[in-house]
Amino acid sequence: DTAVSQTPKYLVTQMGNDKSIKCEQNLGHDTMYWYKQDSKKFLKIMFSYNNKELIINETVPNRFSPKSPDKAHLNLHINSLELGDSAVYFCASSSTAGTGDTEAFFGQGTRLTVV
Amino acid sequence: GESVGLHLPTLSVQEGDNSIINCAYSNSASDYFIWYKQESGKGPQFIIDIRSNMDKRQGQRVTVLLNKTVKHLSLQIAATQPGDSAVYFCAENPGYQKVTFGTGTKLQVIP
Repeated sequence: DTAVSQTPKYLVTQMGNDKSIKCEQNLGHDTMYWYKQDSKKFLKIMFSYNNKELIINETVPNRFSPKSPDKAHLNLHINSLELGDSAVYFCASSSTAGTGDTEAFFGQGTRLTVV
Repeated sequence: GESVGLHLPTLSVQEGDNSIINCAYSNSASDYFIWYKQESGKGPQFIIDIRSNMDKRQGQRVTVLLNKTVKHLSLQIAATQPGDSAVYFCAENPGYQKVTFGTGTKLQVIP
């Protein structure tokens, strides 16, 4: 049983294309995230959704549009892909119920390569 | 922004020795801290966490120390094993689910 699953694992595409990455969590968490990890392993938060509502949008270009159809899903759509978008994208989820914020559980990552 | 120009710090440790990985955090409002381990080709995995009302927390072979005065966090791994080789990240959470990760430290265990 994979707790946070994202697809695809690898994505190679040409500049200018539009692509989507899907994410699903079966942990019953109320918060989901997208992170971008660059070639130097730096992890930066892009978006955070709580109960399907956008909480954090960290100065990400408008070409990136997250969509949360329900609490268990947070998809990432990217328009007009650029070379600089090449990175590993991680989906994560956490719970804010109970005593407050808790650790995030991460998916396996999607390695996006724009050529 | 991204860590352009920065190299991932590396810590090399002999198998069986103790490892100490340090982290400086930036936001004095952060009240929750987490250490993650990332193995090659995988997502970050939770190791241990600590809240700001504590200065030390122990897990199995791992201990996290928090010094709020100097905004410093450390992860101690006892009797380091080859399976501990990975990149370790500290993360701070000032609330509102805005978790911010440090730059990471690569731990290499020498057999």
